[in-house]
Amino acid sequence: ILNVEQSPQSLHVQEGDSTNFTCSFPSSNFYALHWYRWETAKSPEALFVMTLNGDEKKKGRISATLNTKEGYSYLYIKGSQPEDSATYLCAFNGATNKLIFGTGTLLAVQP
Amino acid sequence: DTAVSQTPKYLVTQMGNDKSIKCEQNLGHDTMYWYKQDSKKFLKIMFSYNNKELIINETVPNRFSPKSPDKAHLNLHINSLELGDSAVYFCASSQAVTGFTEAFFGQGTRLTVV
Repeated sequence: ILNVEQSPQSLHVQEGDSTNFTCSFPSSNFYALHWYRWETAKSPEALFVMTLNGDEKKKGRISATLNTKEGYSYLYIKGSQPEDSATYLCAFNGATNKLIFGTGTLLAVQP
Repeated sequence: DTAVSQTPKYLVTQMGNDKSIKCEQNLGHDTMYWYKQDSKKFLKIMFSYNNKELIINETVPNRFSPKSPDKAHLNLHINSLELGDSAVYFCASSQAVTGFTEAFFGQGTRLTVV
């Protein structure tokens, strides 16, 4: 059974705070690691697809790092804004070519 | 223009009925998927089609039958609906089957079986 775990489950921060959360995944048969942002009542939207150990990707105030040897990825949000409030999902793609999703980290940013 | 659209958005039906959910993508992608969001909020893959060919079929009851008339459409037909089928079903598409490209999701269909 492939486990993809995310922590924390939920996070409450103040506007302007920087924050980060973790995705843990199997370190064997790694193909890719995806991050998605999922706002309430909308559909998940891709943030990053990462494939190489040591990858670092950035989109505005959001960035992610990848360590395939130890099986983790961090997502960072700098200077959180209320519009960043959403569930952040990671998904592991291994040899089966299936995306295995974590349960997500629910971020709430208080103005 | 919605990239991946699925209909209906909400579906309430009685046990034992047969229902279909439709999905269309206008992105020119070759690969389409059906995911089920379970009670613990996990997104679990059910099926994947590449260019109209079934490539992933998870352990899903055979009451669930996907149909892909062309690579832009992937419909999900469910026979003899049961209470446990109540969930949100998401359609998605991606450029390639390998998972190296991002998936684009529809807005979900909330199925309630009563």
